[in-house]
Amino acid sequence: GAVVSQHPSRVICKSGTSVKIECRSLDFQATTMFWYRQFPKQSLMLMATSNEGSKATYEQGVEKDKFLINHASLTLSTLTVTSAHPEDSSFYICSATHSGGEQFFGPGTRLTVL
Amino acid sequence: GIQVEQSPPDLILQEGANSTLRCNFSDSVNNLQWFHQNPWGQLINLFYIPSGTKQNGRLSATTVATERYSLLYISSSQTTDSGVYFCAVFRMEYGNKLVFGAGTILRVKS
Repeated sequence: GAVVSQHPSRVICKSGTSVKIECRSLDFQATTMFWYRQFPKQSLMLMATSNEGSKATYEQGVEKDKFLINHASLTLSTLTVTSAHPEDSSFYICSATHSGGEQFFGPGTRLTVL
Repeated sequence: GIQVEQSPPDLILQEGANSTLRCNFSDSVNNLQWFHQNPWGQLINLFYIPSGTKQNGRLSATTVATERYSLLYISSSQTTDSGVYFCAVFRMEYGNKLVFGAGTILRVKS
């Protein structure tokens, strides 16, 4: 089946530092990947659409200079949280679209900013 | 944009019981997915079902696209079924962006 991995699964960092999260489609190529954020006891909130070889498309209210997205290949997208602050602490999840249109999700990255 | 409503918001079952979760959506969609989010946060794909009925073991799903709803049936529930169940839809006009419902929190007691 289609597998999506994320790394790291958990990260704790100091306020002001930048954190990079990787999302990989392991057994399929994905021209489109998505980045979500999930707060406790809430649904997933789409942050941006990552397109291979082009700029990401950000949802309204998401700061593109704060959340840098790079989709360098058909199997890898990265999300960098720049100058992280405690309010950026959250669960970040990526997904990749399979050729048939179904989306598969990574296991998520729990970010804690001290 | 499309609105997705899930019901009930919370559900507590005794092990072995059956349940039905509902997903209503406000406009026609090109596709619909059901997910189970386990306690560790992983979303597990259950069904990719724009219309019709599919079954996978104790789970089955039915989408009636013309009436804009989908149902997820869980039979003979087990404690491992606990977690959050999400319904998500997309329309091609909006790209492949999934719009999620708020989820149903299921607790199965032994």
